[in-house]
Amino acid sequence: AQSVTQPDIHITVSEGASLELRCNYSYGATPYLFWYVQSPGQGLQLLLKYFSGDTLVQGIKGFEAEFKRSQSSFNLRKPSVHWSDAAEYFCAVGAFNNNDMRFGAGTRLTVKP
Amino acid sequence: DGGITQSPKYLFRKEGQNVTLSCEQNLNHDAMYWYRQDPGQGLRLIYYSQIVNDFQKGDIAEGYSVSREKKESFPLTVTSAQKNPTAFYLCASTITPLGTEAFFGQGTRLTVV
Repeated sequence: AQSVTQPDIHITVSEGASLELRCNYSYGATPYLFWYVQSPGQGLQLLLKYFSGDTLVQGIKGFEAEFKRSQSSFNLRKPSVHWSDAAEYFCAVGAFNNNDMRFGAGTRLTVKP
Repeated sequence: DGGITQSPKYLFRKEGQNVTLSCEQNLNHDAMYWYRQDPGQGLRLIYYSQIVNDFQKGDIAEGYSVSREKKESFPLTVTSAQKNPTAFYLCASTITPLGTEAFFGQGTRLTVV
C-alpha cells in the first residue's frame, strides 16, 4: 500500500514569512497527491491536488505545491503566511485504480504575530 | 447542499460497551472511509468501502466493525475489543475511481469514561 511521510511535526513561522511544508510519498505507480487543512475539532478541507500534467499546482488560499517524481515529494508552499493559516496540514496519497487513500501524520503550523 | 454528516459530535462510552458512530452522505459517492485521528499520529485508516456490501480493512481495523448496506451510509461500531478507543473519528467519501477530492464529515469525538 502507499504511504506518506511528513517529516515536520510542528513548524512556527512569523506572519508575512514564506512557508514550505514537506511531504514524501511511497507508491509504485503514478500517485494522486493531495494537501488538506484542518482547523481544531473540524473535518478536513482540500487545499489542492495533483493527478497529472503540470507539476506545479495552485490551490485555494494562495497555496501551491510542486510534484517532484525523482524525489517522491509533494511540498506545499505559500509566499506570505497569514495568521489565519495556523492549522494542521495533511498530505495524502491515493491512486486511480485503488481507493485506499493514506494520510501523513500531519504538520501543525503556528503563526507568530 | 450535498455533504457528509457524522453524528453525534461527542460520544461518551463506558468501558466494555459497544458504540456505533453514524456517517451519512448525499454526494452519490461510491467509496467511503473511516479514519481515526490521534495527536501526533495523523489519520489512520480503519476501514474503507468501494461499493455497497463490500469493505476492506485498513491499518488499524482490530476492535472495529463496519457495514455498508446502503450507498449513503457507512456506520462504524467500536467494540469492547478496541483497547484504546478514545479518539477523534473522521468519515470521508470519494468518487470511484478516485478522481477527485475526499469530502470529510465534521468528526465524532469518542471518549471512554
